[in-house]
Amino acid sequence: EAQVTQNPRYLITVTGKKLTVTCSQNMNHEYMSWYRQDPGLGLRQIYYSMNVEVTDKGDVPEGYKVSRKEKRNFPLILESPSPNQTSLYFCASSILSSGLAGTDTQYFGPGTRLTVL
Amino acid sequence: GIQVEQSPPDLILQEGANSTLRCNFSDSVNNLQWFHQNPWGQLINLFYIPSGTKQNGRLSATTVATERYSLLYISSSQTTDSGVYFCAVRDDKIIFGKGTRLHILP
Repeated sequence: EAQVTQNPRYLITVTGKKLTVTCSQNMNHEYMSWYRQDPGLGLRQIYYSMNVEVTDKGDVPEGYKVSRKEKRNFPLILESPSPNQTSLYFCASSILSSGLAGTDTQYFGPGTRLTVL
Repeated sequence: GIQVEQSPPDLILQEGANSTLRCNFSDSVNNLQWFHQNPWGQLINLFYIPSGTKQNGRLSATTVATERYSLLYISSSQTTDSGVYFCAVRDDKIIFGKGTRLHILP
């Protein structure tokens, strides 16, 4: 079954304790990205990657790191989490086509609800 | 960067009613998607529609790229249509609108 998986689904942690949220897709997609969703602000892109070893900042990258060492995995790292990073996080993947000619539909993982105390 | 605006922000309808949701974007794009986020938080693809019209059951979408807007039509609404509807465009980065929250009353 084609899917994007994220782990953990729920996490409560304390300020400053490093954490990693994993994301994996089995569709051989080139494009992967992370979003955070906050009330009233919608979904905002944190980082994205167009292929292995290629990552770029989205709109809200501060306080986050990512890596793309394999095509299927795109972990999100919070080196020193703070309470303002409490949010719902989504990972997504898609093929990378030339827009009109392609069907680069994004597929989302189930979300990770993070609380930083 | 590209701005994406959705309207209306909130919509309350009786079951069986029809609705039109709008997505305006500030620059030309060649990638536009509509999503539904159900009450459990799951994001579900509805349409990938950079231009033209597509239909899937009671839902259809039209994008007029030259005029920089897209419309999502929901006919004969059901309570399971409740949730938030997002449009998103891609220009390397992906930009989401803030969504339309739809509540269908039984």
